[in-house]
Amino acid sequence: GAVVSQHPSWVICKSGTSVKIECRSLDFQATTMFWYRQFPKQSLMLMATSNEGSKATYEQGVEKDKFLINHASLTLSTLTVTSAHPEDSSFYICSAGTGGQIPTYEQYFGPGTRLTVT
Amino acid sequence: GQNIDQPTEMTATEGAIVQINCTYQTSGFNGLFWYQQHAGEAPTFLSYNVLDGLEEKGRFSSFLSRSKGYSYLLLKELQMKDSASYLCAAMDSNYQLIWGAGTKLIIKP
Repeated sequence: GAVVSQHPSWVICKSGTSVKIECRSLDFQATTMFWYRQFPKQSLMLMATSNEGSKATYEQGVEKDKFLINHASLTLSTLTVTSAHPEDSSFYICSAGTGGQIPTYEQYFGPGTRLTVT
Repeated sequence: GQNIDQPTEMTATEGAIVQINCTYQTSGFNGLFWYQQHAGEAPTFLSYNVLDGLEEKGRFSSFLSRSKGYSYLLLKELQMKDSASYLCAAMDSNYQLIWGAGTKLIIKP
């Protein structure tokens, strides 16, 4: 149980285009989803936290107009990287909290999406 | 500031034991997590400690000392599949996870 999927697993796009990444909880309802970015040999960096039906909460330094997050249902959250640039190339990982007051206690990670912007 | 320190890389031999250390400094503390991450994959949960002491789970054990801001992950009977990065993450008073950069563990035959 507690499986999280991400699509696509990898994507290559041209600079200036937008890319959408989907995160789905397959067998549970995720009231909270987290989006992370990980550069090579670096730690996970939390970008934003999204709760179903409300606006995402972005971490300091993350541009909310560039990284659009939508959490329209209890099983789906999307991250859209708008006007992508080569410096946005990274490994993007989502995770889903299984509920409760503190979802960070129990979060399940998706397999990640490798974004390369040329 | 909040900070997590763990070694960048370690090498061990198949069948041996290895200990990966982690020190943390956080604003408040609500537990310490260890995750395993194979290259190009997402992290998978290994352990959670909130009280001092050793938690054993099969070949993996995790230890916490809150007074020292210190934890370690102990891996026994190493197998080649244990080659991965091991991430230490501490939860602060706001229940936010502060992540370490990970320790890349290389297992040699």
